[in-house]
Amino acid sequence: KAGVTQTPRYLIKTRGQQVTLSCSPISGHRSVSWYQQTPGQGLQFLFEYFSETQRNKGNFPGRFSGRQFSNSRSEMNVSTLELGDSALYLCASSLGQASNQPQHFGDGTRLSIL
Amino acid sequence: AQTVTQSQPEMSVQEAETVTLSCTYDTSENNYYLFWYKQPPSRQMILVIRQEAYKQQNATENRFSVNFQKAAKSFSLKISDSQLGDTAMYFCAFISLIQGAQKLVFGQGTRLTINP
Repeated sequence: KAGVTQTPRYLIKTRGQQVTLSCSPISGHRSVSWYQQTPGQGLQFLFEYFSETQRNKGNFPGRFSGRQFSNSRSEMNVSTLELGDSALYLCASSLGQASNQPQHFGDGTRLSIL
Repeated sequence: AQTVTQSQPEMSVQEAETVTLSCTYDTSENNYYLFWYKQPPSRQMILVIRQEAYKQQNATENRFSVNFQKAAKSFSLKISDSQLGDTAMYFCAFISLIQGAQKLVFGQGTRLTINP
């Protein structure tokens, strides 16, 4: 069974631009969560989607948004990019029916803002 | 709000030694899960072991075991017979069992180096 796939693996943008990251979950998984990883703040939860609905949200500004499609694939969008948005963005999928079901992570997208 | 604290930013041991990574957490909930994830330089987060809060028995997975002290809110990871491939960042994480909650709360991580 294929794992969680994130594309692209690396991305370079400039301030003010917007970016879209993609995540394909493990087949059969209906929950997709997004995390931001930085050296200073560590791993922080962005949001989680289940059956095309945002079910949980972290404490990030409205510039960070996401969506989930009927095939459970998810996209995350960041608008008006700032230098502080440089980070590794990790996506995780799980079956989603209960919190104890383990989350499986992708390799991440490394976003660099110039 | 839940918090997870890992007080050891870095650790280094010799191959074949046993090493223990510390983790404490804070929550007012009674039912939750705790996890240890490993992140090697390849970046992918890999689940190492998990513990249900309602179980008193400590979880074990081959060379990996935990010491779960619920009253003290402590959740340490012991790696026995350490191997070079264990070199990685290790993250302790908490998840609430409130229905539908899928938010993992992570500690700051411990960078573990296994030396030959």
